[in-house]
Amino acid sequence: QKEVEQDPGPLSVPEGAIVSLNCTYSNSAFQYFMWYRQYSRKGPELLMYTYSSGNKEDGRFTAQVDKSSKYISLFIRDSQPSDSATYLCAIKAAGNKLTFGGGTRVLVKP
Amino acid sequence: NAGVTQTPKFQVLKTGQSMTLQCAQDMNHNSMYWYRQDPGMGLRLIYYSASEGTTDKGEVPNGYNVSRLNKREFSLRLESAAPSQTSVYFCASSPPNSPLHFGNGTRLTVT
Repeated sequence: QKEVEQDPGPLSVPEGAIVSLNCTYSNSAFQYFMWYRQYSRKGPELLMYTYSSGNKEDGRFTAQVDKSSKYISLFIRDSQPSDSATYLCAIKAAGNKLTFGGGTRVLVKP
Repeated sequence: NAGVTQTPKFQVLKTGQSMTLQCAQDMNHNSMYWYRQDPGMGLRLIYYSASEGTTDKGEVPNGYNVSRLNKREFSLRLESAAPSQTSVYFCASSPPNSPLHFGNGTRLTVT
């Protein structure tokens, strides 16, 4: 079993819909949680970073962490075609290296 | 505002050839990393350097060597390329215990 599991998709939604993405993890020592966005033929870019349970909001993006269930989510409100990309969750324990999920491909159709 | 710069962007090698992938960052970060990204496998850490003068193996180091030339530069060398090393290679850098900043990758094909 992988340490971080993520549905590969693709997840196809109409423009304006809410995109809901999630990852599950197995290591209870993980305490830093990140979401990266990766456009085709580009490197991953950081979207959200949190280290506590609960919600963190940044514009149209909300990251949610539930440490008791070992489950993290990313919500994108009012989705746009420019949100079409692969979204990677990344998790780490203190002092350790990042462990990435395999990524979920998202398509937002106009 | 360059961030992390990788060269070359694309490369085709024949089996057995060698090459060095270059990476430089201008953010004064201590830590630098090399990842490979393959379909269905996600990003896997090859080598990392916590600070200038130190390097450590990651998850998939076999067939690779690295050099932390100075604080800015971290190179990845393939001594004898194999088709299994066909991949997209990403360099990243970060301050301590902070998110990584990635370059735009080198797409390598080994025939």
